[in-house]
Amino acid sequence: NAGVTQTPKFRVLKTGQSMTLLCAQDMNHEYMYWYRQDPGMGLRLIHYSVGEGTTAKGEVPDGYNVSRLKKQNFLLGLESAAPSQTSVYFCASSGLAETQYFGPGTRLLVL
Amino acid sequence: GEDVEQSLFLSVREGDSSVINCTYTDSSSTYLYWYKQEPGAGLQLLTYIFSNMDMKQDQRLTVLLNKKDKHLSLRIADTQTGDSAIYFCAVTRPSSYKLIFGSGTRLLVRP
Repeated sequence: NAGVTQTPKFRVLKTGQSMTLLCAQDMNHEYMYWYRQDPGMGLRLIHYSVGEGTTAKGEVPDGYNVSRLKKQNFLLGLESAAPSQTSVYFCASSGLAETQYFGPGTRLLVL
Repeated sequence: GEDVEQSLFLSVREGDSSVINCTYTDSSSTYLYWYKQEPGAGLQLLTYIFSNMDMKQDQRLTVLLNKKDKHLSLRIADTQTGDSAIYFCAVTRPSSYKLIFGSGTRLLVRP
């Protein structure tokens, strides 16, 4: 039981490049989330999903897209990376009205 | 919207008690959480309290909730150097799975 895993752990992009961050959970959770963490600002919700095939916008969705084709996976895409997207990205999952469990994070640097 | 606030920094001596405070604005918050983040790691759930409780104790951790003042605190007894980390307060509302995070309190434990 690995819990929540994220790949990659670290990535450097040039402005304008695209990439996809992968989150996987093996707890059969319905809900999955993508957050970004910036210094002094805590975690902010980017997008979330309440089930396979569904996604919804969070607090800071601009510049990101997500997909939940399989229940255990939640993908976060950056179509055209900007320096403002330099951050640490965390994925989380939870059951219905239950505690969220977090992955180890992905550090992204956009030059 | 919901606002969650924490002080940024706390320094204590090893063996002393630490008290980390959090205030929130939405009185309908139902679950209130404390997460711990060690350097370079994800968020680890420490404990949580339901809004109909005043106190919860779990080994060295004591959570106090004052609903009238919308104030949550985490007390760590006999603080150890391994407790040095950032501690995040987070709250959620009824029928919502979204967590609203504070900006985190960095706890430094001095030998």
